[in-house]
Amino acid sequence: GAGVSQSPRYKVAKRGQDVALRCDPISGHVSLFWYQQALGQGPEFLTYFQNEAQLDKSGLPSDRFFAERPEGSVSTLKIQRTQQEDSAVYLCASSLATVHSPGNTIYFGEGSWLTVV
Amino acid sequence: AQKVTQAQTEISVVEKEDVTLDCVYETRDTTYYLFWYKQPPSGELVFLIRRNSFDEQNEISGRYSWNFQKSTSSFNFTITASQVVDSAVYFCALSDGDSSNTGKLIFGQGTTLQVKP
Repeated sequence: GAGVSQSPRYKVAKRGQDVALRCDPISGHVSLFWYQQALGQGPEFLTYFQNEAQLDKSGLPSDRFFAERPEGSVSTLKIQRTQQEDSAVYLCASSLATVHSPGNTIYFGEGSWLTVV
Repeated sequence: AQKVTQAQTEISVVEKEDVTLDCVYETRDTTYYLFWYKQPPSGELVFLIRRNSFDEQNEISGRYSWNFQKSTSSFNFTITASQVVDSAVYFCALSDGDSSNTGKLIFGQGTTLQVKP
């Protein structure tokens, strides 16, 4: 497709369950971002990949959060032992730009809505 | 420190009214980029505009216009003759030197705009 694609769109997880969220960026986009958006808040940065390299994971809230992009295209965000505070929308975004290219347009997917019960 | 403030949490207008969404930012850098995104109920963040810190010219795109004023660290967004389809959450975002290695965005809290028929 033409845009950033995320799956699943909606996920309900029991507390303690592991979840995996998938992101298909726009074809050819080098940069990939994950953001977390709590209800009524703005998105907050989680992690950044340039191709397959994870260059910034400073926003990951705990070691239960893990992201990968092994072949430099599709990315997976994994949350282990989910807690209620993990309930949020997880947005994936991609950009054609490489590192050291601030200000390039970042395109977002529709998000994966995670509810932990 | 980087910060984006959108003081207006919710705005409600009647169709055809003009409406201005405020955005105030903080950064220590002289080179930075400002963005506006629209988030309809579907959840996807839709890119509207990007401005760099060296270009203070106001921009108009159809019914949308943006007023960038470095003196007041503001980047306000005006919708002229609002329409019901403009109803959404609007986010202002900043990318600066602290984030330039990745181009990650710092978002405001968002302003929910409701346009009534």
